[in-house]
Amino acid sequence: DTGVSQDPRHKITKRGQNVTFRCDPISEHNRLYWYRQTLGQGPEFLTYFQNEAQLEKSRLLSDRFSAERPKGSFSTLEIQRTEQGDSAMYLCASSFPSQLDGELFFGEGSRLTVL
Amino acid sequence: AQKITQTQPGMFVQEKEAVTLDCTYDTSDQSYGLFWYKQPSSGEMIFLIYQGSYDEQNATEGRYSLNFQKARKSANLVISASQLGDSAMYFCAMREGSGTDKLIFGTGTRLQVFP
Repeated sequence: DTGVSQDPRHKITKRGQNVTFRCDPISEHNRLYWYRQTLGQGPEFLTYFQNEAQLEKSRLLSDRFSAERPKGSFSTLEIQRTEQGDSAMYLCASSFPSQLDGELFFGEGSRLTVL
Repeated sequence: AQKITQTQPGMFVQEKEAVTLDCTYDTSDQSYGLFWYKQPSSGEMIFLIYQGSYDEQNATEGRYSLNFQKARKSANLVISASQLGDSAMYFCAMREGSGTDKLIFGTGTRLQVFP
């Protein structure tokens, strides 16, 4: 399978715990994006990388959130001291170098439930 | 700031009929791109169709076409000959051409196709 893969697909955790999600993009894509999607809403942009550089971060990305892409390949999104409001689907996407018509290729998401 | 509005939370259509899903957008850029994605219950976002702001003709991809009315800032998706497998969430999204690479999504429309 050469698509975007995310792990784990589901995570249930208690409030206050830390969680980490991993995203493996399509291998030839140098741009990688994280989005958050809550029930009944569209995906909301969190951050994106070009290679290993984090080029943009949303105000939604509080201090408890950190994303990395250390070698310009896979990426991790860590949430520290989780809160119930963090419950959502976390979507990862990748794309070719910037083109106006360049579509994003999405993974199936990691669903987080904070109890 | 760029914004996408989808005013139809849900739509019903009978199999083999056509359906139009509405999308309006707001941007101050002259150069931008508009996208439609489908999200089935599995969660993955599937790219359907793209329209560039300078494209003079409406985009078409198989049973999907985009009714682009630039003056009205609308980019409605038309699905012809609906199939049961078209039942899903549909999201309109926009990318501005001013250097940012991210897509901004609307809140989506849930389409249900009945026999």
